Amino acid sequence: QAVLTQPSSLSASPGESASLTCTLRSGINVGTYSIYWYQQKPGSPPQYLLRYKSDSDQQRGSGVPSRFSGSKDASANAGILLISGLQSEDEADYYCMIWHSSAYYVFGTGTKVTVL
Amino acid sequence: EVRLVESGGGLVQPGGSLRLSCAASGFTFSSFEMNWVRQAPGKGLEWISYITGSGSIIYYADSVKGRFTISRDNAKNSLYLQMNSLRAEDTAVYYCARLSQGNWGQGTLVTVSS
Repeated sequence: QAVLTQPSSLSASPGESASLTCTLRSGINVGTYSIYWYQQKPGSPPQYLLRYKSDSDQQRGSGVPSRFSGSKDASANAGILLISGLQSEDEADYYCMIWHSSAYYVFGTGTKVTVL
Repeated sequence: EVRLVESGGGLVQPGGSLRLSCAASGFTFSSFEMNWVRQAPGKGLEWISYITGSGSIIYYADSVKGRFTISRDNAKNSLYLQMNSLRAEDTAVYYCARLSQGNWGQGTLVTVSS
């Protein structure tokens, strides 16, 4: 079982909200970790979006629009990236990442977001 | 402005070696951890190695442990990855990254093929 699992794909229409999940493996408590989120477009390196640990401990990357936000769902043991007001330029792959003491930096499996 | 520029990629035969470099600028290089991350064609991101600012602590992913060596020269603001015993499955774009701050280079392609 992967340390971080993301749905492989998600589709939504322009203007809608898209909620991307990053589920931590059983035994790894999401409350303990900062969840990093990256956006990657074809042929380009990943771009840092934000880091979320809690509402009082979060950071959005320089120039990242406020319609990108983070949260957690403790009941699902998951980190969440919410994209509000989806735009065509948001079509990309999205990866979550954590620092885990025994696996060091770990990336999620990635979600391909398609804007219909 | 933070800049990370990788170099040294190319085509190498299985079993061969290659050394990647990453030139850093725009920040106090010696104060920050650095990482190498790779991405095989059409695949996701894979962290492969970490080094602290002083170079005193180093970690590797199991997939490269014993074959790859990370190092840094703080006087030259440079990060390195020595890759030995290369395999076809090491074919990927290799990124230099300051992951804790969200900075990545453009990547350099390594192709392992006969």
